[in-house]
Amino acid sequence: GDSVTQMEGPVTLSEEAFLTINCTYTATGYPSLFWYVQYPGEGLQLLLKATKADDKGSNKGFEATYRKETTSFHLEKGSVQVSDSAVYFCALRSGATNKLIFGTGTLLAVQP
Amino acid sequence: GAGVSQTPSNKVTEKGKYVELRCDPISGHTALYWYRQSLGQGPEFLIYFQGTGAADDSGLPNDRFFAVRPEGSVSTLKIQRTERGDSAVYLCASSTGDGLNTEAFFGQGTRLTVV
Repeated sequence: GDSVTQMEGPVTLSEEAFLTINCTYTATGYPSLFWYVQYPGEGLQLLLKATKADDKGSNKGFEATYRKETTSFHLEKGSVQVSDSAVYFCALRSGATNKLIFGTGTLLAVQP
Repeated sequence: GAGVSQTPSNKVTEKGKYVELRCDPISGHTALYWYRQSLGQGPEFLIYFQGTGAADDSGLPNDRFFAVRPEGSVSTLKIQRTERGDSAVYLCASSTGDGLNTEAFFGQGTRLTVV
């Protein structure tokens, strides 16, 4: 069945460091791919998405490119801030079902 | 309301008891989803409604779990004979439709603790 694998955390970075959180997926057909973020004490929020191969999703300085050849959707940010500290979830949605399938989440802690 | 509302925010119950968890979706959203999130894990799909009907209930773990959405708006997740393993955060999400690109908006969840 469809699945998402993302790198385990926690990831601890200093402010202004470069961030990469790896995500790979397995899916039948052509899924849409998402990154959700959960800030402390808040609900899940959509961060960015990409709906077809080679699409790049971007928001708040974060980017991820839909790579069909490597079945990946890695999240990147050039310069993280303390306010980016949160749990990040990679997810997919395929045509076979309308449900979102999530990875296990990666905790990011940014230190000043 | 402005977002998806879930009540209660916290629920502690004794093993064997019955619980109901409520979800108020964003007004006008036809699709509604329930997920369960255990500690250190990503959300796990339970059930999906399109309007009043359950379009996909393949994620319900067993027949102790049931959900309804009688008027196509508010939904209730019902758990009978609760077990300690049911302890988790139960998340509700809604969206305008069920297309691949449609954004799902999540509530803050109900933290269920079975003691």
